[in-house]
Amino acid sequence: TQLLEQSPQFLSIQEGENLTVYCNSSSVFSSLQWYRQEPGEGPVLLVTVVTGGEVKKLKRLTFQFGDARKDSSLHITAAQPGDTGLYLCAGEAGGTSYGKLTFGQGTILTVHP
Amino acid sequence: GAGVSQSPSNKVTEKGKDVELRCDPISGHTALYWYRQSLGQGLEFLIYFQGNSAPDKSGLPSDRFSAERTGGSVSTLTIQRTQQEDSAVYLCASSLSGVISEAFFGQGTRLTVV
Repeated sequence: TQLLEQSPQFLSIQEGENLTVYCNSSSVFSSLQWYRQEPGEGPVLLVTVVTGGEVKKLKRLTFQFGDARKDSSLHITAAQPGDTGLYLCAGEAGGTSYGKLTFGQGTILTVHP
Repeated sequence: GAGVSQSPSNKVTEKGKDVELRCDPISGHTALYWYRQSLGQGLEFLIYFQGNSAPDKSGLPSDRFSAERTGGSVSTLTIQRTQQEDSAVYLCASSLSGVISEAFFGQGTRLTVV
C-alpha cells in the first residue's frame, strides 16, 4: 500500500505570511498532483508534476516534485484569505496500481485577514 | 453531463436503515473512486474501480459498506444498517486512466444518520 503523508494537518496564518505544505512518501510516483477543496465543493486540480526536480509556479503558488519522485511541496507566498481551503496531494503509481491515485489526508489552511 | 454527478446531494436517514448513494461519472472515464470526508477532515479512501478489473475494496471500513459499478459507468455505494459514525460527505471521482490522470470530483452526498 502506497501512503502519502501530508504535513502540517492544520495551518492557521495571517494574511501576507508565507507557508509550505509537505507531501511525503516512501514510494515512487509517476506523477503527483495537488488539489484544492473549498467548503461544499469537491476538490479541484491545481497542478500536476511529472519530472523529478520539477518546479511549477501558479501565481503565488510554487509546487516542487522531489528528485526521487517520492515527495512534493506546495509553497504559498503572501497568503490571502481567498487561499483558505483544504489542500490535497495525490500520487499516481505505476506497476500493478497503474492509474490509481493515492491521496494524502490533506492540509486545512486558514488565512486570517 | 459535463461533470461528475452525485445524488442525492443530501440524505438524512435513521440509524439502522440502509442507504444508496449514486455516482454518475464523466462519460468515457474508466476509473472511479469513492471517498469519505468527515467535517473538517481530509479524504478517506473507500473503493476504486478501474475498467473491468476487480475493484480495490481495501478502504471499506466494514462489511456494511459495498459498492458496485454497472456497465463500467454508474456506481452505487450502499451502506447497510447505518450508524451515526457513518455521517459524513461521500465524494465520488472519476478519471481517464493514462499516464497522467486528473481526478474530477462530484460535489458529494452529505449523509446524516440520526
